[in-house]
Amino acid sequence: EADIYQTPRYLVIGTGKKITLECSQTMGHDKMYWYQQDPGMELHLIHYSYGVNSTEKGDLSSESTVSRIRTEHFPLTLESARPSHTSQYLCASSEGGSNQPQHFGDGTRLSIL
Amino acid sequence: GIQVEQSPPDLILQEGANSTLRCNFSDSVNNLQWFHQNPWGQLINLFYIPSGTKQNGRLSATTVATERYSLLYISSSQTTDSGVYFCAVRYSGGYQKVTFGIGTKLQVIP
Repeated sequence: EADIYQTPRYLVIGTGKKITLECSQTMGHDKMYWYQQDPGMELHLIHYSYGVNSTEKGDLSSESTVSRIRTEHFPLTLESARPSHTSQYLCASSEGGSNQPQHFGDGTRLSIL
Repeated sequence: GIQVEQSPPDLILQEGANSTLRCNFSDSVNNLQWFHQNPWGQLINLFYIPSGTKQNGRLSATTVATERYSLLYISSSQTTDSGVYFCAVRYSGGYQKVTFGIGTKLQVIP
C-alpha cells in the first residue's frame, strides 16, 4: 500500500489566518498533486508538480500556493484563509510516466470560520 | 477537455445484492482508476485498469478502451461498501492531468 501522509486530518480555524497543509510521501515519486473537493462533488486538480522546483497550476483556480523543495514534501499554503476556502484537500503522488496510478493521502478537511 | 460520465449517480442496494457501475469517457486514455471514497473522506484505490479485466475479492473491473468505457462490479454487497465510487482517467494526448467523474453514491442497507 502507498505511503502518503497528510496533516492535519481536520482543521477548524478563523478567517485571516495563514495555513499550511502538509503532504509527504516516502515512495520517491516524482509527481505530486493537490486536489480540492467540496462535499458531494468531484475532485478538482488545483496544483501539481513533476519534481523538485517544479510547480504548476491545475484546472481549478485556487488562491493557494505550493512549493516542492524536496521530492517527498509538497506543502500547500493559504496566506489568508477565508470561508470560501472551506473544503477537503487531497494530496496524491505517482511515479514518472503518464500511465502510472495515483496514490492518495487521507485528506485534510478544512473549515474556515 | 476530456469528459468523464459516471452512472448511476445514486444507488441504494440491499445487503447481498450485486451492482454494476459505469464510467464513460470521451477520448483515448492511458490511465484509468477506480476509487472508493468512504464516509470519512478517504480515497481508496480499488483498481488501476487502463484496459482489460481485474478482480479483487468481491470487486472486479473491466475497461474496454476502444469503446471508451469501464465497468465496476460489486458482488454480494456489504454495508461497508457504502460511499462514493469515482472513476478517474488520464488523457493519452500528453497532458498529465487526471479527470475525475462526479461519482456514484452507493448506499448499502442491511
